[in-house]
Amino acid sequence: DAGITQSPRHKVTETGTPVTLRCHQTENHRYMYWYRQDPGHGLRLIHYSYGVKDTDKGEVSDGYSVSRSKTEDFLLTLESATSSQTSVYFCATTGVDTQPYEQYFGPGTRLTVT
Amino acid sequence: QKEVEQNSGPLSVPEGAIASLNCTYSDRGSQSFFWYRQYSGKSPELIMFIYSNGDKEDGRFTAQLNKASQYVSLLIRDSQPSDSATYLCAVTGGFKTIFGAGTRLFVKA
Repeated sequence: DAGITQSPRHKVTETGTPVTLRCHQTENHRYMYWYRQDPGHGLRLIHYSYGVKDTDKGEVSDGYSVSRSKTEDFLLTLESATSSQTSVYFCATTGVDTQPYEQYFGPGTRLTVT
Repeated sequence: QKEVEQNSGPLSVPEGAIASLNCTYSDRGSQSFFWYRQYSGKSPELIMFIYSNGDKEDGRFTAQLNKASQYVSLLIRDSQPSDSATYLCAVTGGFKTIFGAGTRLFVKA
């Protein structure tokens, strides 16, 4: 299994506060992803990175920003948390440049915005 | 909007039976197809991938792909209670992956 950790694992925060989630990988994988998972919606891509300082938006990027200053770390920031951002957040990585692009997931962060 | 559709279930099968999970996708340019298993409260884990038409077998699991019909399926033979989980179908057309909402499978002992 890819060595992927996420921190924190659980967080409760108040509406309007900024929140940063961290994903750390030890596999030197090039591609990293942030997803959110909500009942009935499956996994939805927030942002992804294809290298250090190279990032792009996914399908649900509004209200989120990311940064990747090192290969091993990918940070997700909720600029001003809202209740609609209560979710489980998963980081994932892909280490290959060719098919089949299978992804390895971190353990997840459960975020509650009150 | 690229979509991946799955029946949400729950799909309930008795122990030892074959469980059949289905998935359709909208993007004809999709190249790789995956099945992930997710236990409650855990992260998804890859169990199968396929990118050529036909069947691919791995132990008790068989993935089936029909690109003309834009259809992917997963068969689990000799289902065990430990197979009870949510199964996510995922489709890739490059570096980004689209996931279905998942089908919950319950295997009754």
